[in-house]
Amino acid sequence: NAGVTQTPKFRVLKTGQSMTLLCAQDMNHEYMYWYRQDPGMGLRLIHYSVGEGTTAKGEVPDGYNVSRLKKQNFLLGLESAAPSQTSVYFCASAQGREETQYFGPGTRLLVL
Amino acid sequence: SQQGEEDPQALSIQEGENATMNCSYKTSINNLQWYRQNSGRGLVHLILIRSNEREKHSGRLRVTLDTSKKSSSLLITASRAADTASYFCALRLNSGNTPLVFGKGTRLSVIA
Repeated sequence: NAGVTQTPKFRVLKTGQSMTLLCAQDMNHEYMYWYRQDPGMGLRLIHYSVGEGTTAKGEVPDGYNVSRLKKQNFLLGLESAAPSQTSVYFCASAQGREETQYFGPGTRLLVL
Repeated sequence: SQQGEEDPQALSIQEGENATMNCSYKTSINNLQWYRQNSGRGLVHLILIRSNEREKHSGRLRVTLDTSKKSSSLLITASRAADTASYFCALRLNSGNTPLVFGKGTRLSVIA
């Protein structure tokens, strides 16, 4: 089992550019999450999904969109990147709402 | 704020000593989870304690939960250099469908 994988590992964008971060899990988990982690801020939830075809907003959803077309994949999109979106992005999955979360290795994004 | 607050923010100890970090919160919880994050890596789940439990053990880890004081502690006994990491508490709230809420973490340094 690969667990939770994220691509790319690192990316540099210019302000206004768009990109998609891909998260994939092979544990047949229902729940998937996207977080961002900034120094001194801990983890903040961007969007999450409770099953294929569903998405919901988290604490900091503005400037991001997500899609869960397949159960194993959860995509995070930035339509027009801003320097404030420079961060480390983590994806996680869980079998259920009460269950523990399994995290990917992260994607470092730098927006210039 | 609904997130847990870890204390201390940073802790430095000698190898072989015990490390204790605390998490305080303000709302009613279903469970509380502790995660570890090594530098530059994703979070790894350590232990989950439910609101009706008072203490749990896992190897060198001991977690306590006092719901009357709304606080939890994580004890790492006989620490090793490999325990150097950030430790986060995460709350599963009782209200609604809110996903896990992460604190800002305690940064532990174990000096060999």
